[in-house]
Amino acid sequence: NAGVTQTPKFRILKIGQSMTLQCTQDMNHNYMYWYRQDPGMGLKLIYYSVGAGITDKGEVPNGYNVSRSTTEDFPLRLELAAPSQTSVYFCASSFRTELYGYTFGSGTRLTVV
Amino acid sequence: AQTVTQSQPEMSVQEAETVTLSCTYDTSESDYYLFWYKQPPSRQMILVIRQEAYKQQNATENRFSVNFQKAAKSFSLKISDSQLGDAAMYFCASIQGGSEKLVFGKGTKLTVNP
Repeated sequence: NAGVTQTPKFRILKIGQSMTLQCTQDMNHNYMYWYRQDPGMGLKLIYYSVGAGITDKGEVPNGYNVSRSTTEDFPLRLELAAPSQTSVYFCASSFRTELYGYTFGSGTRLTVV
Repeated sequence: AQTVTQSQPEMSVQEAETVTLSCTYDTSESDYYLFWYKQPPSRQMILVIRQEAYKQQNATENRFSVNFQKAAKSFSLKISDSQLGDAAMYFCASIQGGSEKLVFGKGTKLTVNP
C-alpha cells in the first residue's frame, strides 16, 4: 500500500518560474490537504479538498493554486515562484480525521533562488 | 478559531529518562480531538497518540502517554524510557468535531543524549 505519494522530493526553482507539486493517494480518502512547514512555524494549511471537484483555501493560499479532478490526485501549482515560497511542502489525506488523523506524504523541499 | 501553542522550541533528555513536552490549546467547542505527531530527521510525519476531549482517561501508547487537563486546556506528551530513536520534532495538533482540518503547534525539537 503506497499511501500518499509526493513528487518531487527536492526542487530548486528560479524566481518567477512555475511548477506543480504532485500528490497521489491510493486509500480512497475523500479529504486531502496541502501544508507548508517553515522552521519554527509549524505547519500552515495552504489548500484543502473535501472531495473531487471541491477545493477551498486554507490559512496561507496566496501564490498557490490547486485542483481535484479525481479522488486520488491533488496537485499544488506554484505560479511565479518567490523566495517566500521556499519551504517544505506536505500533502496529506484523511478518511475520518478525528479518528485516524492524517496520512502524510514524505514532503517536498522547495528552494526558490 | 482554534490555536495550539507549544512553548518549548527545544528540549533534551538523557537516554532511558522521562521527558514531558508541553502543549496548550484554545477552542470554543466542546467536541474536539487532540494529537501528537513525530517528525524524525527523515521528515516523515508519524502519528504518535490521539485523545478525545470527552474522555477523561489519558491516552497511552507503549512508552508514550498524555496528561490531558481539559479545564486548563493542556495536552502534554510524556515519553518514558527515552530512546535515541525518539529524537525528532514533535507537533501537537487539534481538530474540532465536524471539521476535517488539523491545526498544528509550532513544534518542539527533542534531542536524546546517549
